[in-house]
Amino acid sequence: AQRVTQPEKLLSVFKGAPVELKCNYSYSGSPELFWYVQYSRQRLQLLLRHISRESIKGFTADLNKGETSFHLKKPFAQEEDSAMYYCALSENNTDKLIFGTGTRLQVFP
Amino acid sequence: DTAVSQTPKYLVTQMGNDKSIKCEQNLGHDTMYWYKQDSKKFLKIMFSYNNKELIINETVPNRFSPKSPDKAHLNLHINSLELGDSAVYFCASSQGTRYNEQFFGPGTRLTVL
Repeated sequence: AQRVTQPEKLLSVFKGAPVELKCNYSYSGSPELFWYVQYSRQRLQLLLRHISRESIKGFTADLNKGETSFHLKKPFAQEEDSAMYYCALSENNTDKLIFGTGTRLQVFP
Repeated sequence: DTAVSQTPKYLVTQMGNDKSIKCEQNLGHDTMYWYKQDSKKFLKIMFSYNNKELIINETVPNRFSPKSPDKAHLNLHINSLELGDSAVYFCASSQGTRYNEQFFGPGTRLTVL
């Protein structure tokens, strides 16, 4: 069955430290992967998507099909990056999003 | 100019009651969704509609009935509410391909007492 795993519920770092939020997936087809973010008191919103190969707010994510991973990385964390981050997979024949359990990132000053 | 709106924002009710949550999007999208976020922040899809037609129904109890009067609206009606229905319910919309961003509403926090 399709699954998205985010092994860390909470990740705490200090400002300026590198950040890596882990995401592994299990999917038999060709995966389309996304990172969504929910800042405090804001709605869930797209951060970046695999197909765009973009860097948003300094974050990047590379799809590694061999390791079935889509880890989110940022070289220098900022306090405003503190939020809940969800990795999500879009199925091949529907546009259903399967979400991971989320990782709360806390960036301390 | 809110893209996806939901009402109400908070809903507190007794077990056994029937309640509805409304969702509207002004983005011109043809697909709308309902997600449930439980107390552990796990987000799971419940339903999706494309142009008023049910596309996804994820083993949700039939006490939950979505209704889409037009492609800009997707309402969620819940009969005979149970304690386990307490959660945050999110509406979302997208242009309906697997590559496209889904736009989320602010959520409705439902508490069943």
